[in-house]
Amino acid sequence: DVKVTQSSRYLVKRTGEKVFLECVQDMDHENMFWYRQDPGLGLRLIYFSYDVKMKEKGDIPEGYSVSREKKERFSLILESASTNQTSMYLCASSSPHGDRLYNEQFFGPGTRLTVL
Amino acid sequence: AQSVTQLGSHVSVSEGALVLLRCNYSSSVPPYLFWYVQYPNQGLQLLLKYTSAATLVKGINGFEAEFKKSETSFHLTKPSAHMSDAAEYFCAVSGRTNAGKSTFGDGTTLTVKP
Repeated sequence: DVKVTQSSRYLVKRTGEKVFLECVQDMDHENMFWYRQDPGLGLRLIYFSYDVKMKEKGDIPEGYSVSREKKERFSLILESASTNQTSMYLCASSSPHGDRLYNEQFFGPGTRLTVL
Repeated sequence: AQSVTQLGSHVSVSEGALVLLRCNYSSSVPPYLFWYVQYPNQGLQLLLKYTSAATLVKGINGFEAEFKKSETSFHLTKPSAHMSDAAEYFCAVSGRTNAGKSTFGDGTTLTVKP
């Protein structure tokens, strides 16, 4: 089974701190994604990566950056956390090959971030 | 361009009743369509997917969905609700040419009453 893990389930940070959210997948997937989930707004794509060192902005990239130095790891960085970044953050991965070429995504358990 | 509209942010049914969660999509290319389920404090997991092989798709936990191109719909159904079905459900659409990105609906929270 594909496993996507996220470094923390719950995180509390202060305004202005630099925050790192880590995501690791173990199935050699090319594509990785970061979403934030807020009540009534569904999932909004922050950034995605389709290969090592490759990244593209999603719908709401402002205030975030990402890093993908290794295929299995995709990091989301909040350069200076603000209270409006309090949210649930979900990482996902997918592969455009084989029986998963239909782009189904596999999700981690999420990180609930609170910025005070 | 693609989009998904889920009709009804909250649906409540009695245990044993039919579950119907509605999803309409828009896509400029032939779509792949998905339903995901999210239980409290967990990530999303795939319920079922439409990949053009068959218009009626069966998934896990007794759920199924029917792709209707003329209505641009992909509604999720289950004949008899169980208490364990209480969760949030997301419909998603993916084109076949956009490097794996999916567009998700806003979600529908299903409540099952005893």
